Amino acid sequence: GIQVEQSPPDLILQEGANSTLRCNFSDSVNNLQWFHQNPWGQLINLFYIPSGTKQNGRLSATTVATERYSLLYISSSQTTDSGVYFCAVGMIKAAGNKLTFGGGTRVLVKP
Amino acid sequence: AAGVIQSPRHLIKEKRETATLKCYPIPRHDTVYWYQQGPGQDPQFLISFYEKMQSDKGSIPDRFSAQQFSDYHSELNMSSLELGDSALYFCASSLYWIRDRENTDTQYFGPGTRLTVL
Repeated sequence: GIQVEQSPPDLILQEGANSTLRCNFSDSVNNLQWFHQNPWGQLINLFYIPSGTKQNGRLSATTVATERYSLLYISSSQTTDSGVYFCAVGMIKAAGNKLTFGGGTRVLVKP
Repeated sequence: AAGVIQSPRHLIKEKRETATLKCYPIPRHDTVYWYQQGPGQDPQFLISFYEKMQSDKGSIPDRFSAQQFSDYHSELNMSSLELGDSALYFCASSLYWIRDRENTDTQYFGPGTRLTVL
């Protein structure tokens, strides 16, 4: 099956700092989603981004599908950004096709 | 906006007992997915349903079964529970459609059911 690798595995930031998280995947995909898992365990949708660039407030993401990677940018980080960020990919050929998650990047933003 | 609803949110069971987890998808979504997330791990796909038919299947133990009902809600039934089944169980839903000849299937996750097996 498809392999998904995220880096770095852990990231400690000072409040206000910027950071870049990376997701590499081993095969062609047409579904890529970024999630934030908060300390209460909830998985929050950040982006659906199989290709191109999107921005949402202080977060933005870029996926270069031909080179099999995606980047998530966090600018002016806040303590509420702490948690685990997951990249998940899939190949949608029909309804119900699964997502394969990477190992996540654990982010801690210090005040 | 309405989100995916899961019940119960927390569940404690003894070994060899049975558990039933319920999932109510976002209104008008036609596809549901079940994922299992062990402590310190990433979510692992179990099974999915589209229009009440099983669509895709992952590493779901034979002790587990699931179905999607006519109102699109889904239930995950787990029997002969083992200590290793302790995990966070997520349900996700999506609306499958084709735009510009490309498949689109964004999954939205519920808050999860935390199952503890003692």
